[in-house]
Amino acid sequence: AQSVSQHNHHVILSEAASLELGCNYSYGGTVNLFWYVQYPGQHLQLLLKYFSGDPLVKGIKGFEAEFIKSKFSFNLRKPSVQWSDTAEYFCAVGGSQGNLIFGKGTKLSVKP
Amino acid sequence: KAGVTQTPRYLIKTRGQQVTLSCSPISGHRSVSWYQQTPGQGLQFLFEYFSETQRNKGNFPGRFSGRQFSNSRSEMNVSTLELGDSALYLCASSLLWTGASSMNTEAFFGQGTRLTVV
Repeated sequence: AQSVSQHNHHVILSEAASLELGCNYSYGGTVNLFWYVQYPGQHLQLLLKYFSGDPLVKGIKGFEAEFIKSKFSFNLRKPSVQWSDTAEYFCAVGGSQGNLIFGKGTKLSVKP
Repeated sequence: KAGVTQTPRYLIKTRGQQVTLSCSPISGHRSVSWYQQTPGQGLQFLFEYFSETQRNKGNFPGRFSGRQFSNSRSEMNVSTLELGDSALYLCASSLLWTGASSMNTEAFFGQGTRLTVV
């Protein structure tokens, strides 16, 4: 069965620190990969997506992610976080029947 | 363009009752998916509707059901509520049926309905 693993449950950073959130998936076929963010009290929003092409994907708010097929990974990065990036981040893979399979999420707390 | 609208936002029900949640997708979107979000299990797929037909279903008991109307609005029903059904129920809309093409899996989420079963 397809699954998504996010390595960190809770990450605490100071402002201006660099961020990398890990995501690994298990699926041998063509994958569509996503990162969603859920700010406190708000709905899930798409940060970025990968369907094909350049494995380095740039998203909104300065986030980027790199698809490494050999490692089944799609890690999220941001060079310098801000307090406003405090949120929960979800990695997801498009399942074989189209539905999204989510990781358990990583809570990011950014200290001002 | 209005986003995905879910009503009600909050709901408190008693064990054994049934509940109906509503979702209006983004205008022009024809696919509606439902997800359950809990602290322990995370986000889990319930089902997807497209053109008033259920196209895909997750691993939930038959107490969870849904339907879609001709205007693409969808409802989700949970019968015989259990304490463990307490969760945030999220609706997501997509332009087309997500299973028809790998390019269709971009989903736009509503703010959810917080269901508490007491």
